[in-house]
Amino acid sequence: DVKVTQSSRYLVKRTGEKVFLECVQDMDHENMFWYRQDPGLGLRLIYFSYDVKMKEKGDIPEGYSVSREKKERFSLILESASTNQTSMYLCASSLREGRRAGGKLFFGSGTQLSVL
Amino acid sequence: EDKVVQSPLSLVVHEGDTVTLNCSYEVTNFRSLLWYKQEKKAPTFLFMLTSSGIEKKSGRLSSILDKKELFSILNITATQTGDSAVYLCAVRGSSNTGKLIFGQGTTLQVKP
Repeated sequence: DVKVTQSSRYLVKRTGEKVFLECVQDMDHENMFWYRQDPGLGLRLIYFSYDVKMKEKGDIPEGYSVSREKKERFSLILESASTNQTSMYLCASSLREGRRAGGKLFFGSGTQLSVL
Repeated sequence: EDKVVQSPLSLVVHEGDTVTLNCSYEVTNFRSLLWYKQEKKAPTFLFMLTSSGIEKKSGRLSSILDKKELFSILNITATQTGDSAVYLCAVRGSSNTGKLIFGQGTTLQVKP
């Protein structure tokens, strides 16, 4: 069974803290993604990675960075958390397009981050 | 700029009703459109559509794509309370990296 695991379901942090959100997939997927989900705005792409050590900015990368040192793990880093980063964060992975079932995203359960 | 718009944003129906959810898009070099269902946790995959006019069906759910008019619909017949969820539409454009652009989502509530 496919699995994308996010390390925390709920997190509460203080303004200015450095925050790490971890995501691990066990499906040998090339692509990994970080989205944030806010009411009325849908899912917005923060960063994605299509290979180890490769990363590309999504639509809203400001205030975030990422790390992909191993194929199965993709980390989202908030260098200095701010209250406007309070949100649901969803990690996803997919096979490279062109491979069977490529393009279909598998999601983790999400991390609800509150920055106080 | 690539864009995906879903309508309505929210919908309340009674069990047994049929609902139609809409998704329109403007994407450079369209490749595919996907529907997801999101309850409390992770969005779960429903359908992937790449060709116009071919209906995809799974039980009481079905979906079709119109690439000329740039939209898709998701139909749910004989709705049940377990269909209550947020339904997400997403589109892939010309990128080979699998990036999806999501709409705002439609929140469906099915009352007993």
